[in-house]
Amino acid sequence: AQTVTQSQPEMSVQEAETVTLSCTYDTSESDYYLFWYKQPPSRQMILVIRQEAYKQQNATENRFSVNFQKAAKSFSLKISDSQLGDAAMYFCAYRRASSGTYKYIFGTGTRLKVLA
Amino acid sequence: ETGVTQTPRHLVMGMTNKKSLKCEQHLGHNAMYWYKQSAKKPLELMFVYNFKEQTENNSVPSRFSPECPNSSHLFLHLHTLQPEDSALYLCASSQDTGPRYFGPGTRLTVT
Repeated sequence: AQTVTQSQPEMSVQEAETVTLSCTYDTSESDYYLFWYKQPPSRQMILVIRQEAYKQQNATENRFSVNFQKAAKSFSLKISDSQLGDAAMYFCAYRRASSGTYKYIFGTGTRLKVLA
Repeated sequence: ETGVTQTPRHLVMGMTNKKSLKCEQHLGHNAMYWYKQSAKKPLELMFVYNFKEQTENNSVPSRFSPECPNSSHLFLHLHTLQPEDSALYLCASSQDTGPRYFGPGTRLTVT
């Protein structure tokens, strides 16, 4: 069975600094997708970034980028130039690449605090 | 706002009550989801509907009954719940396989 582990329940970062949130996963599949979701306090969860396992290039979205290490089954999220609005719960998620698959496996989340 | 709305935002109910949660999206998405979010636990998928047809039922107890009358609306009917069912219930929608946009959730407390 696939699992997703986020070992950091809480992280803090100074405004304008860079922070990295870690995520590891376990799967026997060779093709899959990985995601980072952001859930701000009292606001709706949104998809931040996604990575296809068959792509070697790390995905980036503005200040958000990932470090995808397939052999190590590691998928960390780097937030550059942190802003107060980045404070949120961040969830890592995994999905098999099979078509018609709707089941995502989520981690327990990392709460990110941004210090002014 | 993501375009997915949920009502009510907060709900307190007794174990013998019957209530319903509502989710609505007008994004043109074909898939809608119910998730349960409990503190310090991973998000749990409950149900998935694709084009109004249920495609996933993640071994959810029968005291939770979903209904999807059309691709824009999703309900979760609740009856004879237990205190351990207290959680944040999230609805989501997507055009392809996987939740893209989430609603704000319904905070449910079972007394």
